[in-house]
Amino acid sequence: EVQLLESGGGLVQPGGSLRLSCAASGFTFSSYAMSWVRQAPGKGLEWVSAISGSGGSTYYADSVKGRFTISRDNSKNTLYLQMNSLRAEDTAVYYCAKDNPPTSLFYSGSYPGDYWGQGTLVTVSS
Amino acid sequence: QSVLTQPPSASGTPGQRVTISCSGSSSNIGTNTVNWYQQLPGTAPKLLFYSNNQRPSGVPDRFSGSKSGTSASLAISGLQSEDEADYYCAAWDDSLNGYVFGTGTKVTVL
Repeated sequence: EVQLLESGGGLVQPGGSLRLSCAASGFTFSSYAMSWVRQAPGKGLEWVSAISGSGGSTYYADSVKGRFTISRDNSKNTLYLQMNSLRAEDTAVYYCAKDNPPTSLFYSGSYPGDYWGQGTLVTVSS
Repeated sequence: QSVLTQPPSASGTPGQRVTISCSGSSSNIGTNTVNWYQQLPGTAPKLLFYSNNQRPSGVPDRFSGSKSGTSASLAISGLQSEDEADYYCAAWDDSLNGYVFGTGTKVTVL
C-alpha cells in the first residue's frame, strides 16, 4: 500500500526556516517524480515544487523560487522541502504527492497523481 | 492569482447534472492536458481525471471530463450528496514552466 507521511510543520517567525519531510513507502520511490503542493487556510491549491526520480532535475513555482529547495534521499525513501526566508504568505498546509505518469522524469506531462500525504501545517507568524 | 479560472461555486439537487468550467490560455490548456482533482472537506486532494478525460480506477463514470481549445470542463451527472466538495482543474503552463491549479469550484448539493 502506498503511503506518504509528511512531517516537520510548525510555527516559525517571518524570515525563519523550516524543513519538511515526506516519508514514502509501498512503491519504488526512486522511480517516481514527486511534488509539493500547498493550500493556504481557506484558499485553493498551489503547486510549489517538483523533483525528478533521480533528484537531478528540480522545478519551482515563482512564488518560492530562490527561497525553497526540494531534494530527496532515495536511500531513505524520503522527500524534503527546505524552506528559508519564510513569509506570512507561506502559511499553508503542505502536501507531498507521488507524480504520474510512472516515470522518474519530471516534464510537462507530469502531475501530482493518485497518492497524496495527509499534509503538514506551516504557520509563519511573529 | 491562478491563470486557470473556475466559477467559485456550483450547485444542484440530487440527481441533477452539474458542469464546472475551467478557462485557461494557449500556454496551459491550449497546449497541455488537463487534470481534475476533488477535495472533500478536511482531506487531501484526490485525482479525479488525468489527460483531459481519463478516469483513474475507482472514479464513478457519472463524472466526465472534456477539453476544447483553451477551456476544459468537468461534468457530474446524477449528483449525489457525497459529491459535495471542492473541485480544481490543473495543467502545466509552458510560460510559467510550472504546474498550475485552477481557482477552485465549491459544489453544493442542495
